[in-house]
Amino acid sequence: GAVVSQHPSRVICKSGTSVKIECRSLDFQATTMFWYRQFPKQSLMLMATSNEGSKATYEQGVEKDKFLINHASLTLSTLTVTSAHPEDSSFYICSARFPGVNEQFFGPGTRLTVL
Amino acid sequence: KQEVTQIPAALSVPEGENLVLNCSFTDSAIYNLQWFRQDPGKGLTSLLLIQSSQREQTSGRLNASLDKSSGRSTLYIAASQPGDSATYLCAANTDKLIFGTGTRLQVFP
Repeated sequence: GAVVSQHPSRVICKSGTSVKIECRSLDFQATTMFWYRQFPKQSLMLMATSNEGSKATYEQGVEKDKFLINHASLTLSTLTVTSAHPEDSSFYICSARFPGVNEQFFGPGTRLTVL
Repeated sequence: KQEVTQIPAALSVPEGENLVLNCSFTDSAIYNLQWFRQDPGKGLTSLLLIQSSQREQTSGRLNASLDKSSGRSTLYIAASQPGDSATYLCAANTDKLIFGTGTRLQVFP
Protein backbone atom coordinates (compact mmCIF):
# COMPACT_ATOMS: atom_id res chain seq x y z
CA GLY A 1 0.00 0.00 0.00
CA ALA A 2 0.83 3.73 0.08
CA VAL A 3 1.83 4.05 -3.55
CA VAL A 4 2.34 7.42 -5.21
CA SER A 5 2.73 7.82 -8.95
CA GLN A 6 3.92 10.69 -11.11
CA HIS A 7 3.33 11.39 -14.75
CA PRO A 8 5.22 11.94 -16.93
CA SER A 9 8.48 10.42 -15.76
CA ARG A 10 10.44 12.49 -18.24
CA VAL A 11 9.58 15.54 -20.33
CA ILE A 12 11.52 17.71 -22.74
CA CYS A 13 10.03 21.01 -23.81
CA LYS A 14 10.96 24.22 -25.55
CA SER A 15 11.63 27.40 -23.65
CA GLY A 16 8.45 29.43 -23.11
CA THR A 17 6.05 26.51 -23.02
CA SER A 18 4.14 25.24 -19.99
CA VAL A 19 4.46 21.75 -18.57
CA LYS A 20 2.04 19.96 -16.25
CA ILE A 21 3.18 17.20 -13.89
CA GLU A 22 0.66 14.95 -12.15
CA CYS A 23 1.02 13.34 -8.74
CA ARG A 24 -1.44 10.67 -7.69
CA SER A 25 -1.90 8.67 -4.51
CA LEU A 26 -3.05 5.32 -5.87
CA ASP A 27 -4.35 3.51 -2.82
CA PHE A 28 -5.08 6.18 -0.23
CA GLN A 29 -6.59 9.62 0.03
CA ALA A 30 -4.16 12.42 0.73
CA THR A 31 -5.37 15.77 1.98
CA THR A 32 -1.81 17.04 1.83
CA MET A 33 0.77 16.60 -0.89
CA PHE A 34 4.19 18.15 -1.28
CA TRP A 35 6.31 19.20 -4.24
CA TYR A 36 10.10 19.10 -4.16
CA ARG A 37 12.80 20.08 -6.63
CA GLN A 38 16.24 18.55 -6.89
CA PHE A 39 19.09 20.03 -8.92
CA PRO A 40 21.98 17.77 -9.99
CA LYS A 41 24.13 16.57 -7.11
CA GLN A 42 22.01 18.49 -4.62
CA SER A 43 19.45 17.51 -2.06
CA LEU A 44 15.67 17.86 -2.26
CA MET A 45 14.24 21.30 -1.62
CA LEU A 46 10.59 21.71 -0.64
CA MET A 47 8.79 23.98 -3.09
CA ALA A 48 5.26 23.97 -1.77
CA THR A 49 2.65 22.22 0.31
CA SER A 50 -0.54 21.36 -1.51
CA ASN A 51 -3.78 21.05 0.45
CA GLU A 52 -6.91 19.61 -1.11
CA GLY A 53 -9.52 22.28 -1.71
CA SER A 54 -7.35 25.24 -0.75
CA LYS A 55 -4.44 27.26 -2.04
CA ALA A 56 -0.97 25.85 -1.88
CA THR A 57 1.58 27.19 0.56
CA TYR A 58 4.84 28.10 -1.15
CA GLU A 59 8.29 28.12 0.40
CA GLN A 60 10.29 31.30 0.46
CA GLY A 61 11.84 32.07 -2.91
CA VAL A 62 9.44 29.91 -4.95
CA GLU A 63 7.37 31.92 -7.43
CA LYS A 64 3.74 30.92 -7.07
CA ASP A 65 2.81 32.40 -10.45
CA LYS A 66 5.48 30.33 -12.16
CA PHE A 67 4.80 27.06 -10.36
CA LEU A 68 1.04 26.61 -10.30
CA ILE A 69 -0.23 23.92 -7.95
CA ASN A 70 -3.73 22.48 -8.03
CA HIS A 71 -4.91 19.88 -5.54
CA ALA A 72 -8.36 19.29 -6.97
CA SER A 73 -9.09 15.92 -5.42
CA LEU A 74 -7.92 13.74 -2.56
CA THR A 75 -5.80 11.66 -4.91
CA LEU A 76 -4.43 14.16 -7.40
CA SER A 77 -2.17 17.19 -7.25
CA THR A 78 -0.71 18.89 -10.30
CA LEU A 79 2.30 21.15 -10.72
CA THR A 80 2.37 23.35 -13.81
CA VAL A 81 5.64 25.02 -14.71
CA THR A 82 4.58 28.06 -16.70
CA SER A 83 6.73 29.70 -19.35
CA ALA A 84 9.51 27.25 -18.66
CA HIS A 85 13.13 28.32 -19.07
CA PRO A 86 16.33 26.25 -19.13
CA GLU A 87 17.02 27.13 -15.48
CA ASP A 88 13.77 25.31 -14.57
CA SER A 89 15.33 22.06 -15.76
CA SER A 90 15.38 19.84 -12.71
CA PHE A 91 14.08 16.68 -11.09
CA TYR A 92 10.63 17.28 -9.57
CA ILE A 93 9.38 14.86 -6.91
CA CYS A 94 6.02 14.81 -5.19
CA SER A 95 4.94 13.13 -2.00
CA ALA A 96 1.64 12.46 -0.27
CA ARG A 97 1.02 12.38 3.45
CA PHE A 98 -0.73 9.27 4.63
CA PRO A 99 -3.85 10.26 6.61
CA GLY A 100 -3.46 10.13 10.36
CA VAL A 101 0.23 9.35 10.11
CA ASN A 102 3.01 11.88 9.92
CA GLU A 103 4.78 10.12 7.09
CA GLN A 104 5.13 11.02 3.44
CA PHE A 105 5.25 8.60 0.54
CA PHE A 106 7.15 9.68 -2.52
CA GLY A 107 6.51 9.45 -6.22
CA PRO A 108 9.25 8.29 -8.61
CA GLY A 109 9.99 11.81 -9.85
CA THR A 110 9.75 13.70 -13.14
CA ARG A 111 12.82 14.87 -14.98
CA LEU A 112 12.15 18.14 -16.79
CA THR A 113 14.51 19.37 -19.47
CA VAL A 114 13.83 22.78 -20.99
CA LEU A 115 15.67 23.46 -24.26
CA LYS B 1 14.47 27.28 10.82
CA GLN B 2 15.36 23.61 10.62
CA GLU B 3 18.72 22.83 9.06
CA VAL B 4 19.89 19.30 8.39
CA THR B 5 23.51 18.39 7.73
CA GLN B 6 25.07 15.07 6.78
CA ILE B 7 28.64 13.95 7.26
CA PRO B 8 30.57 12.74 5.37
CA ALA B 9 29.51 14.18 2.02
CA ALA B 10 31.11 11.26 0.22
CA LEU B 11 32.49 7.91 1.21
CA SER B 12 34.32 5.22 -0.76
CA VAL B 13 34.99 1.91 0.96
CA PRO B 14 35.86 -1.68 0.09
CA GLU B 15 33.19 -4.31 0.27
CA GLY B 16 32.56 -5.81 3.71
CA GLU B 17 33.20 -2.74 5.81
CA ASN B 18 30.77 -1.55 8.47
CA LEU B 19 29.74 2.04 7.84
CA VAL B 20 28.41 4.94 9.86
CA LEU B 21 26.61 7.84 8.22
CA ASN B 22 25.81 10.88 10.32
CA CYS B 23 22.90 13.31 10.26
CA SER B 24 22.45 16.35 12.47
CA PHE B 25 19.49 18.72 12.77
CA THR B 26 19.11 22.05 14.52
CA ASP B 27 15.49 21.91 15.70
CA SER B 28 14.83 18.99 18.04
CA ALA B 29 11.03 19.43 17.87
CA ILE B 30 10.61 16.74 15.24
CA TYR B 31 7.84 14.21 14.74
CA ASN B 32 10.20 11.70 13.23
CA LEU B 33 13.37 11.31 11.22
CA GLN B 34 13.62 9.30 8.05
CA TRP B 35 16.48 7.81 6.07
CA PHE B 36 16.24 7.40 2.30
CA ARG B 37 18.33 5.93 -0.44
CA GLN B 38 18.54 7.49 -3.90
CA ASP B 39 20.15 5.83 -6.89
CA PRO B 40 21.47 8.09 -9.69
CA GLY B 41 18.64 9.61 -11.68
CA LYS B 42 16.01 7.84 -9.62
CA GLY B 43 13.48 8.66 -6.94
CA LEU B 44 13.66 8.01 -3.21
CA THR B 45 13.51 4.66 -1.47
CA SER B 46 12.52 4.88 2.18
CA LEU B 47 14.86 2.85 4.38
CA LEU B 48 13.93 3.57 7.97
CA LEU B 49 11.65 5.93 9.87
CA ILE B 50 12.27 6.64 13.54
CA GLN B 51 9.51 8.24 15.54
CA SER B 52 10.52 10.98 17.98
CA SER B 53 9.74 8.66 20.91
CA GLN B 54 12.01 5.90 19.57
CA ARG B 55 15.74 5.46 19.94
CA GLU B 56 16.42 3.20 16.98
CA GLN B 57 15.03 1.17 14.12
CA THR B 58 16.48 -1.84 12.34
CA SER B 59 15.91 -3.38 8.95
CA GLY B 60 18.23 -6.14 7.81
CA ARG B 61 21.78 -4.81 7.69
CA LEU B 62 20.61 -1.28 8.44
CA ASN B 63 20.25 0.26 11.87
CA ALA B 64 19.30 3.87 12.51
CA SER B 65 19.51 5.61 15.85
CA LEU B 66 18.02 8.89 17.01
CA ASP B 67 19.12 11.24 19.77
CA LYS B 68 16.67 14.12 19.75
CA SER B 69 18.27 16.03 22.56
CA SER B 70 21.58 16.30 20.74
CA GLY B 71 19.96 16.67 17.32
CA ARG B 72 21.66 13.63 15.81
CA SER B 73 20.81 10.48 13.93
CA THR B 74 23.15 7.76 12.71
CA LEU B 75 22.66 5.19 9.97
CA TYR B 76 24.76 2.10 10.45
CA ILE B 77 25.29 -0.23 7.49
CA ALA B 78 26.74 -3.61 8.34
CA ALA B 79 28.87 -5.66 5.95
CA SER B 80 28.59 -3.22 3.07
CA GLN B 81 28.08 -4.53 -0.49
CA PRO B 82 28.58 -2.94 -3.92
CA GLY B 83 24.79 -2.84 -4.25
CA ASP B 84 24.70 -0.40 -1.34
CA SER B 85 26.32 2.24 -3.55
CA ALA B 86 23.92 5.20 -3.70
CA THR B 87 23.24 8.55 -2.10
CA TYR B 88 21.78 8.39 1.39
CA LEU B 89 19.54 11.21 2.58
CA CYS B 90 18.16 11.89 6.02
CA ALA B 91 15.11 14.08 6.52
CA ALA B 92 13.79 15.66 9.70
CA ASN B 93 10.02 15.97 9.94
CA THR B 94 8.71 19.07 11.67
CA ASP B 95 5.36 19.07 9.87
CA LYS B 96 7.34 19.29 6.68
CA LEU B 97 10.36 17.28 5.67
CA ILE B 98 13.68 19.05 5.59
CA PHE B 99 16.30 17.02 3.80
CA GLY B 100 19.96 16.79 4.59
CA THR B 101 22.77 17.40 2.16
CA GLY B 102 23.28 13.70 1.50
CA THR B 103 26.15 11.21 1.67
CA ARG B 104 27.32 9.67 -1.61
CA LEU B 105 28.46 6.14 -0.88
CA GLN B 106 30.53 3.96 -3.15
CA VAL B 107 31.31 0.40 -2.15
CA PHE B 108 33.86 -1.28 -4.41
CA PRO B 109 34.47 -5.02 -4.75
